[in-house]
Amino acid sequence: GQQLNQSPQSMFIQEGEDVSMNCTSSSIFNTWLWYKQEPGEGPVLLIALYKAGELTSNGRLTAQFGITRKDSFLNISASIPSDVGIYFCAGQLSDSWGKFQFGAGTQVVVTP
Amino acid sequence: DAGVTQSPTHLIKTRGQQVTLRCSPKSGHDTVSWYQQALGQGPQFIFQYYEEEERQRGNFPDRFSGHQFPNYSSELNVNALLLGDSALYLCASTLLTQAANYGYTFGSGTRLTVV
Repeated sequence: GQQLNQSPQSMFIQEGEDVSMNCTSSSIFNTWLWYKQEPGEGPVLLIALYKAGELTSNGRLTAQFGITRKDSFLNISASIPSDVGIYFCAGQLSDSWGKFQFGAGTQVVVTP
Repeated sequence: DAGVTQSPTHLIKTRGQQVTLRCSPKSGHDTVSWYQQALGQGPQFIFQYYEEEERQRGNFPDRFSGHQFPNYSSELNVNALLLGDSALYLCASTLLTQAANYGYTFGSGTRLTVV
């Protein structure tokens, strides 16, 4: 089963609003990745984080690698309809290179 | 530049049967990972192949096996199919030396239904 706790499970927001989601774990990770998945497609990488405290942006998306290395956050600013999808966090343990654990996902629905 | 391609896109099998799924990594990539994604859940790591060898393995039974060919393409084999094996199977590839910078690229998956 899932070893990462991702929340919230779903979000219904209005266009223009900001979105925040996070992932927590009891394990320490050396890499955090954030993906977006749309129906019928595989996940697409949004942001990659490699250092504790790192804050990285990709357009309207901003993600942070938690100081404790056990959590990560993703923010989407000024949401638009094409932000609809399922967002996943994924973490990698330092002794398991290439083996990523995924959260259960946050479903984002944007209404005009 | 083709991304990760998987075949077939959809598959229906009967319990007890065996199935083979195929993956061609993105051009220039040499490492392939396989994931199982059940409905409404995140992907679960099955295993990873590099230089034609299994390098990492998740918590999946031996019924799940794989192979990587010299051209870096890969196959996932599942024997003695169970109803619970119904899922989207995703292949992801990367270039080992660049993985830290670019992460993994996923294919669109193979939807396996076991009846």
